[in-house]
Amino acid sequence: GDSVTQMEGPVTLSEEAFLTINCTYTATGYPSLFWYVQYPGEGLQLLLKATKADDKGSNKGFEATYRKETTSFHLEKGSVQVSDSAVYFCALSDQGGANNLFFGTGTRLTVIP
Amino acid sequence: NAGVTQTPKFQVLKTGQSMTLQCAQDMNHEYMSWYRQDPGMGLRLIHYSVGAGITDQGEVPNGYNVSRSTTEDFPLRLLSAAPSQTSVYFCATTPSPGSSGNTIYFGEGSWLTVV
Repeated sequence: GDSVTQMEGPVTLSEEAFLTINCTYTATGYPSLFWYVQYPGEGLQLLLKATKADDKGSNKGFEATYRKETTSFHLEKGSVQVSDSAVYFCALSDQGGANNLFFGTGTRLTVIP
Repeated sequence: NAGVTQTPKFQVLKTGQSMTLQCAQDMNHEYMSWYRQDPGMGLRLIHYSVGAGITDQGEVPNGYNVSRSTTEDFPLRLLSAAPSQTSVYFCATTPSPGSSGNTIYFGEGSWLTVV
């Protein structure tokens, strides 16, 4: 079945450091891929998405590229800020089905000044 | 999280009690679903609906019941609460099922504790 494997955390970085959170997936067909972010005490918000191979999703300085050959969708940001502290979830959407999301376990990021 | 409203935000239940978590959306989305979030396990799908009158089970449906009598509402019922159902519950919607690139919108969550 469809699944997502996400880099375990927690991750602690200093402000302006480079961020990578790894995400790989297993799916039949060609799923869409997402990164969601959850700030403390809040629900999930879409951060970025990619719907086909080689697409790059980007938002708020974050980027992720849909790599079919490595079944990966790693999240990157060149210079993190304290306000980026949150839990990040990688997810895929079952293609052709009901559009349910399959989530990774989440990675907690803490950015210190 | 505009357009997806969950109530209550916090609830404490005793083992064996029943309750309903409410979810309402005003975006006329066909698809609605319920997830639970547990530490170290990400979000897992409980039940979902692709339209009024249609519901289906997700990954972890046991102990929960849903109905979809209108497009706007998708309540989640706990039939006999157990401590294992202590979790954070999220309702989610998207415009149409089957279009996997559509953004899924989440409510703000309902924190449930069963003692």
